[in-house]
Amino acid sequence: DAMVIQNPRYQVTQFGKPVTLSCSQTLNHNVMYWYQQKSSQAPKLLFHYYDKDFNNEADTPDNFQSRRPNTSFCFLDIRSPGLGDAAMYLCATSSPSGFTYEQYFGPGTRLTVT
Amino acid sequence: AQRVTQPEKLLSVFKGAPVELKCNYSYSGSPELFWYVQYSRQRLQLLLRHISRESIKGFTADLNKGETSFHLKKPFAQEEDSAMYYCALSGLGGSGGYQKVTFGTGTKLQVIP
Repeated sequence: DAMVIQNPRYQVTQFGKPVTLSCSQTLNHNVMYWYQQKSSQAPKLLFHYYDKDFNNEADTPDNFQSRRPNTSFCFLDIRSPGLGDAAMYLCATSSPSGFTYEQYFGPGTRLTVT
Repeated sequence: AQRVTQPEKLLSVFKGAPVELKCNYSYSGSPELFWYVQYSRQRLQLLLRHISRESIKGFTADLNKGETSFHLKKPFAQEEDSAMYYCALSGLGGSGGYQKVTFGTGTKLQVIP
């Protein structure tokens, strides 16, 4: 089945130690997103790629970076994780069809910072 | 700016009772509204979108531009409807005509047997 895959599902890192989360998709969608979701809060968009064009949200901290080496893969790099970065990170994809931008989500990676 | 408000964090109803999950939005243009659902231990997935005017799993939602609302309704709740429901709004943003999606904080629906 075509899907969005995130690895790992659970990631523990130390304060200040760089960490990379990965996302892959078999949907061949041209848009990929990264969201941060903290407990009882809405998913918050960090950035997205429209094909190779990177779009950063204005309030995304510089600590968060992203790479998209090809259509299928997208990575979230947290350069120096702080305790406040502990959250669920969701990857999603979409492919514009007319004016509808349905998003397909991965299962998420839960990041713990110790 | 675009904003989505879901006033209820938790909604508990008995099985067979009607359900209404509230969603209000703020957007200056023509929005596209969605309801996403997340069942326990499953990924977030689209339930329905206003543009399709469809009924999915017995749920419907009507876009009311005058009241800027997109409430989700179901006449008779079932236990399997228990989940987290997110209202989302898509509007113009970014470059290349990309439509940014903003999510509400979600409402947990608990259907009591």
